[in-house]
Parts: sequence; C-alpha cells; structure tokens
Amino acid sequence: KNEVEQSPQNLTAQEGEFITINCSYSVGISALHWLQQHPGGGIVSLFMLSSGKKKHGRLIATINIQEKHSSLHITASHPRDSAVYICAVRGSTLGRLYFGRGTQLTVWP
Amino acid sequence: GAVVSQHPSRVICKSGTSVKIECRSLDFQATTMFWYRQFPKQSLMLMATSNEGSKATYEQGVEKDKFLINHASLTLSTLTVTSAHPEDSSFYICSARRDISPYGYTFGSGTRLTVV
Repeated sequence: KNEVEQSPQNLTAQEGEFITINCSYSVGISALHWLQQHPGGGIVSLFMLSSGKKKHGRLIATINIQEKHSSLHITASHPRDSAVYICAVRGSTLGRLYFGRGTQLTVWP
Repeated sequence: GAVVSQHPSRVICKSGTSVKIECRSLDFQATTMFWYRQFPKQSLMLMATSNEGSKATYEQGVEKDKFLINHASLTLSTLTVTSAHPEDSSFYICSARRDISPYGYTFGSGTRLTVV
C-alpha cells in the first residue's frame, strides 16, 4: 500500500474549469508538498504546507492534518496548466519524502 | 533562488559503460541531496540519500556498487551508473533539501538515460 494516495489519476478539463486534485496520506508528516512535473520531466515545487491553506495566483492548496488529507485547486484552468501534479509528504520520523503516483491533468482550449 | 542544476539532460550510452550525472545547487548549500528514479507513468522512487562528506544511504533493493553516489561538496552530488545495462534506462532526478529559509526541496530537471 502506498503511503500517499492521489485522486484522480487522470483528469481532463475544459479551459476555465475549476480543478481539484486530492491527496490522502497514512504516515505522520512534518510537511506536505505539491509538485508539478511537465512533459520534459522537470519538477517544480508549487507549495509546501503543514497547516491551513496557501494561495499562489490561480493555485490554492489546503491541508487537514487531522484527516490526513490535502487538496490542490486550480481556478480558471488553462491549457498551460496541463502537467502531472504530484503530492509528496515529508515523514516526521525519517524526514524522507513519500510520493503519490501523480495526477495527469489535461486542459483543452 | 533555490536553483538546482542537473546535467546531462539526456544521455545515450552503450551497455557496459558508465555514466555520471551531476546535480548542483547553484545558490544555496545543500548538505542533503536525494536521487530518484522514475519509470514511465510511475511516481518517483527514492534511490538514495546523499549527505555531504559521508557515505550515501541507499534504499532497500538499490545496488550501491552499481549506483555510485558522491557528495564531496555542499553544492555538488554525483550519481554514476556503472556497467550500465538496458534495464537501467530510466529518468533520474535529483533534489536538494534547503535547510534554511525558504525551506523545502528543489528538484533538478532530470536526466533521461538510454542504454543501448
């Protein structure tokens, strides 16, 4: 069983739609990360959060520590948002990152 | 800030040869770097944790004699795939942990290794 579960695995949307990607984890964590991986493979860190909510432009990330759940929202989605979004948690015991399998998002114009 | 440079971005090598991949933190010191491997449509798999000035810690199932990691300075870690075989073909990516503000992980752009 994977320590980090993401859903959905694949997501297709029309430009302008509101997107939500969910992440659940089963280990104790010190922080949760949302990452974006483009087709070329490079990974960009979008958010690191340990509580509450963070917003950056059209992206919003929330975390509920008690429920061990996080969501990534994209408002007014755009084709350039098409990428794989990965949830990763930093374990509180060993400090290593555990990764979800990623969500492939495709936004059509 | 917090940029990690990884190169080469792509490399093709013959079976039996060795390939070195470099990961540099450009504007911060990274005492800890991580090496991952990613198969198509799969998540990142941690191979080893590289600590400056000490031996790397390998994950279970990763051959340390095949995947040599060196972290000789606070800004450079290298991964050498020795005696490469076609099954070593994969996407390798490094990340550096930033232990001062802004905290977090910065990833390299990855290396696509093809062994022919």
